[in-house]
Amino acid sequence: DTGVSQNPRHKITKRGQNVTFRCDPISEHNRLYWYRQTLGQGPEFLTYFQNEAQLEKSRLLSDRFSAERPKGSFSTLEIQRTEQGDSAMYLCASSWIQGHGNEQFFGPGTRLTVL
Amino acid sequence: AQSVTQLDSQVPVFEEAPVELRCNYSSSVSVYLFWYVQYPNQGLQLLLKYLSGSTLVKGINGFEAEFNKSQTSFHLRKPSVHISDTAEYFCAVSGRFSGGYNKLIFGAGTRLAVHP
Repeated sequence: DTGVSQNPRHKITKRGQNVTFRCDPISEHNRLYWYRQTLGQGPEFLTYFQNEAQLEKSRLLSDRFSAERPKGSFSTLEIQRTEQGDSAMYLCASSWIQGHGNEQFFGPGTRLTVL
Repeated sequence: AQSVTQLDSQVPVFEEAPVELRCNYSSSVSVYLFWYVQYPNQGLQLLLKYLSGSTLVKGINGFEAEFNKSQTSFHLRKPSVHISDTAEYFCAVSGRFSGGYNKLIFGAGTRLAVHP
């Protein structure tokens, strides 16, 4: 068990470009979450999956954002037509549905900078 | 709406001194409470959690926290800090809102700076 991994760790892009991030959860975990963390703030919930089903999306997740989890394994988060306000750390977490109190294990994050 | 307030954005402290990081939450339903630590350029690591039972919870690295339902607080304490405890600390809550214990709501964080 190598924990939650995220790629890339850093991404610099120009405004208007599309970006995609990948998250590989802990292998036996069936829940996967995406959070966004801006400078000086705590993480904010974006969306979560149970297996391959996306069960909840925050209103923070605009139409430019889309997340998928095909086959209930890894997940991708795509941002289309990036804006400078999208600059943030994007964190992925996973948990086991019957785990204690929905304990979530976090990956190292992908830091996005939109120029 | 559920929310978490961390009352101090920064806490400076000298090495080997005790420290308390304060957290208050707002929720009308039963909650689970967590403290996470984030070192620079890293993800979040769970320090401890309160689910039920004893209100005093012990975690890793010598940290402990006490759940106080009447004051809706979950303050984090350590009797003697080390330089290596310098990091950002986040309090978080999950509960039966939005259909279940499906997401964490975080406070804004407290930066603990331990000085020699």
